[in-house]
Amino acid sequence: AQSVTQLGSHVSVSEGALVLLRCNYSSSVPPYLFWYVQYPNQGLQLLLKYTSAATLVKGINGFEAEFKKSETSFHLTKPSAHMSDAAEYFCAVSDRLTGGGNKLTFGTGTQLKVEL
Amino acid sequence: KAGVTQTPRYLIKTRGQQVTLSCSPISGHRSVSWYQQTPGQGLQFLFEYFSETQRNKGNFPGRFSGRQFSNSRSEMNVSTLELGDSALYLCASRDTGGAGEAFFGQGTRLTVV
Repeated sequence: AQSVTQLGSHVSVSEGALVLLRCNYSSSVPPYLFWYVQYPNQGLQLLLKYTSAATLVKGINGFEAEFKKSETSFHLTKPSAHMSDAAEYFCAVSDRLTGGGNKLTFGTGTQLKVEL
Repeated sequence: KAGVTQTPRYLIKTRGQQVTLSCSPISGHRSVSWYQQTPGQGLQFLFEYFSETQRNKGNFPGRFSGRQFSNSRSEMNVSTLELGDSALYLCASRDTGGAGEAFFGQGTRLTVV
């Protein structure tokens, strides 16, 4: 089974500073990888996805992520944090199942705090 | 296109009761998956339905069940509720032609007292 590990359950940055949220994956096959964001009492919103096309993936709200096979990483970055970025972020890998479908296996999440 | 709709948003139930949650996927999406989110266990896969058939199931007891209707709407049922079933239940809809990306609803917050 595939898995993802998110380093740092809490990250705090100043408004305007670089955001870096770390994700490492474990997969025996080329993975499909995703980043989702969750605001309080909300569902998950897809930020971006990697599907083996370009290794640098751009998403919504100025976020991007780079797939590095040699490091088995898919870190999420944003050049300049905004107060509205404060939320919980989940990295996920798509796992093909024997039943023919997929399921998402999520990391434990990183709570991003943005300070003035 | 309308997004994934889950009803109700909030529920309070008593231990031992049963509950049914509803999910309407994005129009045209035939795959519906359910996830449970708790502070202790994080996000865990419950099951996936496709064309009215349960295609995959996670590691949950038989008290958790579901079904999918011909219009792709799905319901999830939990019988004999336990305190530990308190969680945010998320439904995800997928276009099976896509790269596995799932679009989530707002969730149903279930509290068991």
